[in-house]
Amino acid sequence: DIQMTQSPSSLPASLGERVTISCRASQGISNNLNWYQQKPDGTIKPLIYYTSNLQSGVPSRFSGSGSGTDYSLTISSLEPEDFAMYYCQQDASFPYTFGAGTKLELK
Amino acid sequence: EVQLVESGGGLVQPGRSMKLSCAASGFTFNNYDMAWVCQAPKKGLEWVATISYDGSSTYYRDSVKGRFTISRDNAKSTLYLQMDSLRSEDTATYYCARIRTTVATDYFDYWGQGVMVTVSS
Repeated sequence: DIQMTQSPSSLPASLGERVTISCRASQGISNNLNWYQQKPDGTIKPLIYYTSNLQSGVPSRFSGSGSGTDYSLTISSLEPEDFAMYYCQQDASFPYTFGAGTKLELK
Repeated sequence: EVQLVESGGGLVQPGRSMKLSCAASGFTFNNYDMAWVCQAPKKGLEWVATISYDGSSTYYRDSVKGRFTISRDNAKSTLYLQMDSLRSEDTATYYCARIRTTVATDYFDYWGQGVMVTVSS
């Protein structure tokens, strides 16, 4: 199985700040890396697919990059609604696996 | 509007069975692969199973192989997860998710609100 190591696990940040969340795969995943946001009520939505493609309806302050085994999600200027959990996920091979999550918290 | 609504969760004893349903609407159900993803209390997301658009192919994580069965009824636009021989470690919120397939990737583009399954005596 491909292990996904996400960091940091917790990220205190302020409104307007630029933040980056990292995700490292245990082997190359050929850009098959997706990012999701989970709100405290459990609602989950996709943000980025295939490393850098913005899901329809997602604000342009979200962006993704990476290659090989190392990927990242960047939020350019934090808005109040961005404080949530974030998960990376690989779909290069079954079983699909997720990172452990990053809790983005208001500093 | 795409909607995925799970049902069928609750409290079940270890070793017993439970069947989850996911009613889909707002899109052509039989055009999409579908999946179940779970989340144990205070834990992260874990893919459980995937079924192809026509039901001809299924995939499972190792820990549920032989115990869980994913299926679908395209006439009813409904996805199912039959869970047998349940264990305490199966306790989780189970999400139904639609899979968007592109040339290069598959990802979960719509999620249900989740249904809680508690396995306990």
